[in-house]
Order: sequence, then C-alpha cells, then structure tokens
Amino acid sequence: DGGITQSPKYLFRKEGQNVTLSCEQNLNHDAMYWYRQDPGQGLRLIYYSQIVNDFQKGDIAEGYSVSREKKESFPLTVTSAQKNPTAFYLCASSISSRQDSNQPQHFGDGTRLSIL
Amino acid sequence: QKEVEQDPGPLSVPEGAIVSLNCTYSNSAFQYFMWYRQYSRKGPELLMYTYSSGNKEDGRFTAQVDKSSKYISLFIRDSQPSDSATYLCAPGDGNNRLAFGKGNQVVVIP
Repeated sequence: DGGITQSPKYLFRKEGQNVTLSCEQNLNHDAMYWYRQDPGQGLRLIYYSQIVNDFQKGDIAEGYSVSREKKESFPLTVTSAQKNPTAFYLCASSISSRQDSNQPQHFGDGTRLSIL
Repeated sequence: QKEVEQDPGPLSVPEGAIVSLNCTYSNSAFQYFMWYRQYSRKGPELLMYTYSSGNKEDGRFTAQVDKSSKYISLFIRDSQPSDSATYLCAPGDGNNRLAFGKGNQVVVIP
C-alpha cells in the first residue's frame, strides 16, 4: 500500500539530547513537509522540501534541522536548542513541487514526542 | 488577526443530524481549499478539496466556498458516530503552502 510512514509512534527525549524523527513515503511525491501540532493550535510548518537536496524553513524552524538526501525520506531532528519540543509531529507529502501547483498534502500518522 | 479562524467547539449532535462547520480566512491569495478529518492520535486525512467558489459534494459531505466573503463551510449529512473527529480547514496559496485552522471538534451521539 502507498503511504507515508512515520516512526517511532512515541518518542521520549532527555534534556540536552537531540532526537531524529523518521518520515518515509512510497507515493513518489516530490514535496515533503514537517508540521508541529500543539493542543488548541493549528498545524504549524517547521520545514519543507520541494526537491531532493533542497529544503526551506517554515514558520517555526528554530531548534530543528532536516535533510533530504533521497526522494522517499525526510527526517527531522529536534535539537537541544528547541526549548519546548513536547508536541505531535506530522509529516506530509504532495505530488508536485512546482510553485504553481495546488496539489493536496497527505499526512502520516505522526510521532508524539515527550520530554523526560 | 489569524490567517484562518475556526470555532474549536466541541460541537455535539445526535446521530442522523446535519453537521455544519465553518471557517474564515483573511488572505486573499488563498486559491484552493481543503478539509481534513483527524481522529484522535492520528494524522489528518484529506476529506474534500476544491479550487473555486461554490459547492462540491462527495457522498454525505459538501464543501462550500465563498471567496468574496472569505468563508468556507463543510456540511455532513446523516451524521454517524464514526464522524466524531476534529475537522481542519486548510486554505492554500498555490505555492504548496497550507494555512491550518485550529480545527472543529465534532461529537456525534448515538
């Protein structure tokens, strides 16, 4: 089945530790995204990538880093610089990276990150 | 003013009722409009997707867009307990960027 796989489902981080969240898609989509979801707030964009080896900061990129070495994969690292990392992290992808494209984004089932 | 405003609810309705959800936005650059359904502890699932003003129907779901008023609606007919979820409206600006509302929580009571 085609889809977006996020792992792990739950993740715990100690103070001062970096952690990496995995996102893999087999939809052959060009664009991939990372969002953060907090209770009572809408999804906020962290980073996005429209093509391999290229990515752009979203609205709340501070304390996060990403890489896009393969079309299928877009891992997110939550660094120790992110002071409030507890949240539900969602990865999404869309079929086209063209700037005049209006393709819908499809989501994985998220990773819930908590601080120990 | 936030880009996208939704009343978070919760909205409780009896099974079989019509659910009416609304969303307003402020950015005139938004060109296309999506509704997502999100169950607890799951990712959002695309429900409806439309470009233009007017109505779009898909089974029990109707999405309505009024670009002149910057107003988006979602109607669910013959609501079922399985429709209990949070509904997110997400307008987009044509550059593959979406803006999300906080979501409307819906509870359908059997």
